[in-house]
Amino acid sequence: DIQMTQSPSSLSAFVGDRVTITCRASQKISRYLNWYQQKPGKAPKLLIYAASSLESGAPPRFSGSGSGTDFTLTISSLQPEDFATYYCQQGYSNPFTFGPGTKVDIK
Amino acid sequence: QLQLQESGPGLVKPSETLSLTCTVSGGSISTTNFYWGWIRQPPGKGLEWIGNTYYGGSTYYNPSLKSRVTISVDTSKNQFSLNLSAVTAADTAVYYCARIFGDSHYFDYWGQGTLVTVSS
Repeated sequence: DIQMTQSPSSLSAFVGDRVTITCRASQKISRYLNWYQQKPGKAPKLLIYAASSLESGAPPRFSGSGSGTDFTLTISSLQPEDFATYYCQQGYSNPFTFGPGTKVDIK
Repeated sequence: QLQLQESGPGLVKPSETLSLTCTVSGGSISTTNFYWGWIRQPPGKGLEWIGNTYYGGSTYYNPSLKSRVTISVDTSKNQFSLNLSAVTAADTAVYYCARIFGDSHYFDYWGQGTLVTVSS
């Protein structure tokens, strides 16, 4: 199985801050990396697919980059509605594994 | 707008079979390039992919659950289903159904999720 790790596991930030979350795969996954946002009691919501493609309807302040084993999700200017948990997920091979999540909360 | 809705019992006894159905509306389940699958999330924990099916009936499962999982599709009802046998307390989770885009395997539409508790 491909193991996904994320750092940090949690962070506190101010509205307006630039935030970067890192995801690492235990083996190369090309660009088969996706990012989701989950708010309490809600289903995850797709933000970024194929490492850097913005899902329709997702705000342009979200961006993704990386390939191989190292990937990043960047929020250019954190908004109040962005406080949530973020998960990466590899779509390269079965089983399609998720990272443990990064919780972003208000500083 | 595509919508997915899970349904099924919220309480299952240990050793019994968990059965859930996902009803798809606003679009056809018989669509090329998309799979249909299940993901679960134990309370306070992360996400675990369970398995996928295609409208033609092909399936693939997480090896960690493969011996206990069956996913099937009913195109006439625009539904797909999950059966998980021999459940234990470790199977207590919110179960989500989702649409999966083709070979990139990303989950672009999700149901709201349903909590299934395994307890006697």
